Amino acid sequence: GAVVSQHPSWVICKSGTSVKIECRSLDFQATTMFWYRQFPKQSLMLMATSNEGSKATYEQGVEKDKFLINHASLTLSTLTVTSAHPEDSSFYICSAGDWNIGTDTQYFGPGTRLTVL
Amino acid sequence: AQSVSQHNHHVILSEAASLELGCNYSYGGTVNLFWYVQYPGQHLQLLLKYFSGDPLVKGIKGFEAEFIKSKFSFNLRKPSVQWSDTAEYFCAVYNTDKLIFGTGTRLQVFP
Repeated sequence: GAVVSQHPSWVICKSGTSVKIECRSLDFQATTMFWYRQFPKQSLMLMATSNEGSKATYEQGVEKDKFLINHASLTLSTLTVTSAHPEDSSFYICSAGDWNIGTDTQYFGPGTRLTVL
Repeated sequence: AQSVSQHNHHVILSEAASLELGCNYSYGGTVNLFWYVQYPGQHLQLLLKYFSGDPLVKGIKGFEAEFIKSKFSFNLRKPSVQWSDTAEYFCAVYNTDKLIFGTGTRLQVFP
């Protein structure tokens, strides 16, 4: 149980284009999902908290107009990197908290590696 | 602001050696503490967690961690490591609805 998937696992795009990353909780309902960014050999940095049916809460320094988050259902959250630039290249990881257990225990997706040329 | 420190950035051990990875956090109130592991090419997995009660927490794969409130520490231990324990280990604290991660410790175990 408690499986979180991400799609795609790897994407390469041209500078200026937008990329959408999906995060799904496969066997549980997640009222809250989290989006992290991980640079090589560094820790995970929380970008935003996504709540089903409401606006995401962004961490300080994260541009909400650049990283659009939509949490339309209890099993799906999407992160869209708009007008991507090479500095947006990174590993993006989502996690989800099981509604029944609470968000303090999070289950992580496998991550999406974004490369912007 | 809360922070989590992992002082060991890279640890190299031989199989059967004992392991202790340090983790210190800055928050003085009630915290939930976690250790996650990321095997090469895989996603983060929960090793163990501490919410309350016995400060010595047993996790999966023979790992344990001890919460010492007076030292703001939550060190991870394993008495005898295996080659398969080669991975990145992250300590994290949960507070105010979010997880804050340490910088991670890369563990390499050689046969």
